[in-house]
Amino acid sequence: AQSVSQHNHHVILSEAASLELGCNYSYGGTVNLFWYVQYPGQHLQLLLKYFSGDPLVKGIKGFEAEFIKSKFSFNLRKPSVQWSDTAEYFCAVNSLYGSSNTGKLIFGQGTTLQVKP
Amino acid sequence: KAGVTQTPRYLIKTRGQQVTLSCSPISGHRSVSWYQQTPGQGLQFLFEYFSETQRNKGNFPGRFSGRQFSNSRSEMNVSTLELGDSALYLCASSSRTGSGNTIYFGEGSWLTVV
Repeated sequence: AQSVSQHNHHVILSEAASLELGCNYSYGGTVNLFWYVQYPGQHLQLLLKYFSGDPLVKGIKGFEAEFIKSKFSFNLRKPSVQWSDTAEYFCAVNSLYGSSNTGKLIFGQGTTLQVKP
Repeated sequence: KAGVTQTPRYLIKTRGQQVTLSCSPISGHRSVSWYQQTPGQGLQFLFEYFSETQRNKGNFPGRFSGRQFSNSRSEMNVSTLELGDSALYLCASSSRTGSGNTIYFGEGSWLTVV
């Protein structure tokens, strides 16, 4: 069965520090990979996605992620965090149904990021 | 383009009652999926509907059901509510054509069972 594991449950950083959140998935086939963010009191928003091509993908608000197929990993990075990045971050994997992706996402447990001003 | 719209946003129900939640997907999207979010279990997939047919189902009891209408709008129903059903229920939609489609989420319906 597919599963997604996020290494850090709670991360506390000071502003301007660099961020890396780990994500590993288990699935042998072709997958699409996503990072979603949930700001306090808000709904899930897409940060970035990987479907194919360049394994280094850039998203909104300065976030980027690198897909390493051999390690089944899709780690999220940001060079310099801001207080406004305080949120919960979810890694998710989506399998393909034939040549189309399904609407089924498997999520990691989430990482709560707290950025101190 | 309007996003995924869920109603109601907040509701309180009593144990044993049933509840129906509604979701309107982004215009043109034919896939609607539902998720349950709780502090203990995180985000869990409930089911997906595409063209009025259930295409995927998660590991939830039969008390959780759903349907999709011809205009792609979807409803989910939970019967015989239990305290543990208190959660944020999220609806998501995608166009589900091709291999690179993004899944967009609504703001969710907060269900409290007392």
